[in-house]
Amino acid sequence: DTAVSQTPKYLVTQMGNDKSIKCEQNLGHDTMYWYKQDSKKFLKIMFSYNNKELIINETVPNRFSPKSPDKAHLNLHINSLELGDSAVYFCASSSEVGYGYTFGSGTRLTVV
Amino acid sequence: GDSVTQMEGPVTLSEEAFLTINCTYTATGYPSLFWYVQYPGEGLQLLLKATKADDKGSNKGFEATYRKETTSFHLEKGSVQVSDSAVYFCALQGAGSYQLTFGKGTKLSVIP
Repeated sequence: DTAVSQTPKYLVTQMGNDKSIKCEQNLGHDTMYWYKQDSKKFLKIMFSYNNKELIINETVPNRFSPKSPDKAHLNLHINSLELGDSAVYFCASSSEVGYGYTFGSGTRLTVV
Repeated sequence: GDSVTQMEGPVTLSEEAFLTINCTYTATGYPSLFWYVQYPGEGLQLLLKATKADDKGSNKGFEATYRKETTSFHLEKGSVQVSDSAVYFCALQGAGSYQLTFGKGTKLSVIP
């Protein structure tokens, strides 16, 4: 199926650990994104890559590092996890400006 | 910067009632406007969009018209169903920008 797929769907980990979330799209889109959704459902952009180049880098702790090995993949690595990092993280992709995004189904991260 | 304001929820309606969720925006130029829907436990799905003034986006019985003069993009549906229960997000993408800016979301509950 054509889609944006992210893994894992659920991630429970202890404070201080390092974890990664992977995202892949097979839609042929040039641009990929990471968004964070907090407990009140508010969505905030974190990063965006266009053809492996970082184009959006919002104010997030430098414990968060995106990596794009190719334009179909955008992974998110988080070091030294904190309780406040608990949220749902969404990956998305887009083709051209003005056409919106296709979202993945989300990764629910719980830090205990 | 760009911003989106949508009505606070939650909204509770009886089945077959008329739905309006208000959305207004602030942006320079002519942004593209979107409504996304998030069903419980799922990612965001594009519901409808409009890319220029006076365009009407429609899908699954939902409609929204891009009103430049009032900077609004209100979502409407004539007769809601229980299956429409979800969180609805208004969003804009500025002209030439990759970034989608979201409103805070409105939770809709439809009761039989």
